[in-house]
Amino acid sequence: AQSVAQPEDQVNVAEGNPLTVKCTYSVSGNPYLFWYVQYPNRGLQFLLKYITGDNLVKGSYGFEAEFNKSQTSFHLKKPSALVSDSALYFCAVKTNAGKSTFGDGTTLTVKP
Amino acid sequence: SAVISQKPSRDICQRGTSLTIQCQVDSQVTMMFWYRQQPGQSLTLIATANQGSEATYESGFVIDKFPISRPNLTFSTLTVSNMSPEDSSIYLCSVEDLRTSSYNEQFFGPGTRLTVL
Repeated sequence: AQSVAQPEDQVNVAEGNPLTVKCTYSVSGNPYLFWYVQYPNRGLQFLLKYITGDNLVKGSYGFEAEFNKSQTSFHLKKPSALVSDSALYFCAVKTNAGKSTFGDGTTLTVKP
Repeated sequence: SAVISQKPSRDICQRGTSLTIQCQVDSQVTMMFWYRQQPGQSLTLIATANQGSEATYESGFVIDKFPISRPNLTFSTLTVSNMSPEDSSIYLCSVEDLRTSSYNEQFFGPGTRLTVL
């Protein structure tokens, strides 16, 4: 069975500061990891993914994530947060067997 | 990327009635999924819509309550039958195209916000 944990329900940061949204996973086999964002009253949007290769992946809106196999983590980061980054963020994992498993989500609030 | 539309965007229904939600994709896709989401919470997969065959339901969801159709590679419907207030939720259509890779991301529709009175 595969699972994803987002240990923080909420993350609060000041605009201009770096942000991190944490994600850890558990799978049998190679993990394929994704981050999605959901802005208020909108559907989920894909941000970035790790399939293979470089452990640091870059995605939309200046976000990046680092795959750490030894810590089974895939934390989402951004060097300088914007108020417009405030949203609900979901980490997801899948294997080549198919379906994705989503985390419970982390609400990011960036204050001016 | 795929562009997904859902109809209706929201509805308020009486208990005991049924609502059919439509999902239209602007390109052919291999996988289509239906999720349920309480506002601000995680996604719960209801079923995978299979083209030309019966949908594959997750534990806790049954065909009689959530019949699904998928007549082609760009369209699917989800019906919420005999509704009760507990069915009030946001219903999301999602697609994934496996023709180019087994590890592609999913795309999501804007959702249908259902309120059952």
